[in-house]
Amino acid sequence: DGGITQSPKYLFRKEGQNVTLSCEQNLNHDAMYWYRQDPGQGLRLIYYSQIVNDFQKGDIAEGYSVSREKKESFPLTVTSAQKNPTAFYLCASSVAGQVTNEQFFGPGTRLTVL
Amino acid sequence: AQSVTQPDIHITVSEGASLELRCNYSYGATPYLFWYVQSPGQGLQLLLKYFSGDTLVQGIKGFEAEFKRSQSSFNLRKPSVHWSDAAEYFCAVARGGIKAAGNKLTFGGGTRVLVKP
Repeated sequence: DGGITQSPKYLFRKEGQNVTLSCEQNLNHDAMYWYRQDPGQGLRLIYYSQIVNDFQKGDIAEGYSVSREKKESFPLTVTSAQKNPTAFYLCASSVAGQVTNEQFFGPGTRLTVL
Repeated sequence: AQSVTQPDIHITVSEGASLELRCNYSYGATPYLFWYVQSPGQGLQLLLKYFSGDTLVQGIKGFEAEFKRSQSSFNLRKPSVHWSDAAEYFCAVARGGIKAAGNKLTFGGGTRVLVKP
């Protein structure tokens, strides 16, 4: 079955540590996205990528980094510079090119900073 | 700047009753609007979307939404709620023109729906 996988489901981190969240898709989508979800705030865009080896900052990119070396993969690193990293992180993908294309979401990773 | 407001944080509805979730948007150009549903601890699933044409759009799971330009609203409705509809619902607007580089979405804060037996 085609879809998006995110791992791990739950992640615990000590303050000051970097951590990388995995996102893989087998939908053959060019575009991929990372969102952060906090209670009552909906989803906010961290980074997005329309094509391999290219990505752009979203609305809340500070303290995060990404790479896009393969079409299927878009890992997100939460760095120690992110002031409040505890949140639910969602990865999505879509066909690129048009704003009306549906985004498909993974099941999410819940990150907790201890 | 675009924004999406979902005025109701929580709604409780009895099973079999009708449901309406409100969504108001602020966007200068033609809006491209979406409703997504999220079950607890899961990702989001698209219920329906509106781009143009008929202002009443049908989606999956028996949901529909009506676009009202004069009210800047895109409310979601379901005539008869099932217990499985308990979830969080998000309204979103796509930014940029139809061929903007990157279909970025602006989401509302969400409405959590509780279904009473």
